[in-house]
Amino acid sequence: GEDVEQSLFLSVREGDSSVINCTYTDSSSTYLYWYKQEPGAGLQLLTYIFSNMDMKQDQRLTVLLNKKDKHLSLRIADTQTGDSAIYFCAEEQNSGYALNFGKGTSLLVTP
Amino acid sequence: GAGVSQSPSNKVTEKGKDVELRCDPISGHTALYWYRQSLGQGLEFLIYFQGNSAPDKSGLPSDRFSAERTGGSVSTLTIQRTQQEDSAVYLCASSLVGLAGDSDTQYFGPGTRLTVL
Repeated sequence: GEDVEQSLFLSVREGDSSVINCTYTDSSSTYLYWYKQEPGAGLQLLTYIFSNMDMKQDQRLTVLLNKKDKHLSLRIADTQTGDSAIYFCAEEQNSGYALNFGKGTSLLVTP
Repeated sequence: GAGVSQSPSNKVTEKGKDVELRCDPISGHTALYWYRQSLGQGLEFLIYFQGNSAPDKSGLPSDRFSAERTGGSVSTLTIQRTQQEDSAVYLCASSLVGLAGDSDTQYFGPGTRLTVL
């Protein structure tokens, strides 16, 4: 996980957009992932993006990928209190199957 | 079951004791992964099983850690002579295929929280 960097904490107000940023180092990753972890729960896959795409939109989620800068972001539109969780960015290891995770960004949504 | 299950959900043990953690993957998933989530360390890969192939043990932190997968389904992670630094949440995941180059979603279990006193 030490090769994937994320800010540790983000606080937003309900209804605002949240943007969680991530930098990764393995340019050979075919896919990049965003997982969500709610308190006491396992990891839930939110979305992923293929490395030859710049953007992927899925309802309230927008993923942007800048391969040149190895930068990945997750935008959550109209953030709700139920979105409060830890969000993990992950890249594929050289093996192509196991994942390297960032340390996670704790998102706090306040009313 | 519908998802990946792990047992026990919590385990408290004394330093030096052995522990076994169990993972039941999603039925039909050929790939199984163990990760460890430590406070301040994020998630680290431990071991990977794919079908009948030899497991990738490259992430195991020491020879006190071992894992097996019986019959291509249930997996057990064993930690011998536990140390306090082994305290973490151990997460298991499974995926349908587990081959490089595919977007093969890994589905995670709820984890086992291990506390070594």
